[in-house]
Amino acid sequence: DAGITQSPRYKITETGRQVTLMCHQTWSHSYMFWYRQDLGHGLRLIYYSAAADITDKGEVPDGYVVSRSKTENFPLTLESATRSQTSVYFCASSDLGVLAGGETQYFGPGTRLLVL
Amino acid sequence: SQQGEEDPQALSIQEGENATMNCSYKTSINNLQWYRQNSGRGLVHLILIRSNEREKHSGRLRVTLDTSKKSSSLLITASRAADTASYFCATGGAYSGAGSYQLTFGKGTKLSVIP
Repeated sequence: DAGITQSPRYKITETGRQVTLMCHQTWSHSYMFWYRQDLGHGLRLIYYSAAADITDKGEVPDGYVVSRSKTENFPLTLESATRSQTSVYFCASSDLGVLAGGETQYFGPGTRLLVL
Repeated sequence: SQQGEEDPQALSIQEGENATMNCSYKTSINNLQWYRQNSGRGLVHLILIRSNEREKHSGRLRVTLDTSKKSSSLLITASRAADTASYFCATGGAYSGAGSYQLTFGKGTKLSVIP
């Protein structure tokens, strides 16, 4: 299906385990983003990527790792999950072409992660 | 830290009424956007207004931007039950290279439209 997808949609894990959240987009957008959404904090940027093999930290990167070997995929890994990483995670993408309204971000449906 | 702050945090109105949400921000911006989030879903882009624009319309949506006051408002006219959602403003800074383009989101206004 066209668009931006995330998997899994729901995940329960235990403290200390490694977890990888997947994000895939079919638009060949240059930019991709990972956010977490928590009550009282709104959306906070974890990491973003300007292109394949180019990534940078956002506001809350500690405890997370990202990679972008292909333009369409942007996985987020929690190396050793902690309870404070229980959250809803959203992936987004954007195309920086100004004529196409490039600043708009397109969001996936989210992954709900519970760390026990 | 959050750039945009929406006000009010929650708003409840009757169907057919207008809903107004406000957003204030702190630093200079390139553009300001409004997004909607239905319960349990991802965010959906509604409208973008650039720093050199003062007002923009899209269907039942009207957005204003006052850069001197660092504030924006989103007006939804003739609201419908389907407009029930959370609404977020997001501010975008100036472009300054491949690593710097980001949006900063506020905490959102939760709108309930009662049929």
